Amino acid sequence: NAGVTQTPKFQVLKTGQSMTLQCAQDMNHNSMYWYRQDPGMGLRLIYYSASEGTTDKGEVPNGYNVSRLNKREFSLRLESAAPSQTSVYFCASSHRAVLTDTQYFGPGTRLTVL
Amino acid sequence: DAKTTQPNSMESNEEEPVHLPCNHSTISGTDYIHWYRQLPSQGPEYVIHGLTSNVNNRMASLAIAEDRKSSTLILHRATLRDAAVYYCILRDYTNAGKSTFGDGTTLTVKP
Repeated sequence: NAGVTQTPKFQVLKTGQSMTLQCAQDMNHNSMYWYRQDPGMGLRLIYYSASEGTTDKGEVPNGYNVSRLNKREFSLRLESAAPSQTSVYFCASSHRAVLTDTQYFGPGTRLTVL
Repeated sequence: DAKTTQPNSMESNEEEPVHLPCNHSTISGTDYIHWYRQLPSQGPEYVIHGLTSNVNNRMASLAIAEDRKSSTLILHRATLRDAAVYYCILRDYTNAGKSTFGDGTTLTVKP
């Protein structure tokens, strides 16, 4: 099993450009999450999807959109990138979005917005 | 939202026990205490979690104060591979979207 995979690993954008970060999991998990991690700080939840067909805002959703394409895939879109969105983005999945389920994280995408 | 407070950094000698503290004085009754760790240039990795009782697994032990306002992650014998940033997180089991990561403790293990 590959676990949680993310593409691309690195990306440089200019202010105002758009892009989509891709995430896929092969663990048959129901719930998926997008976090961002700024240098020297902890993770902050952007959006999550408790199950296929549903998405909800997390702590810092402004400037982002998400799509739960199917059970395996959860994408994060930046419509008009800003320098404040320079960060490392992590996707995670868990069997359920309730109780105490363990989250499994991908390796991250390092995004720089110039 | 409930917050967690951890020391910025700690040091340990290899093969000695390590106690990593976490304060969460505003914890709610529906918050589980999770610990994750993050090795350099990797995504976070689950370590352990608990609600009220102390917990043990193959990686670590979690000691939770009786009033639940603090907890301690215990690594029984630190190895060089345990050098990482350790995050104490509160996860509301009624609301999966509420998952508060603090800034973590950077653990350095000296040979």
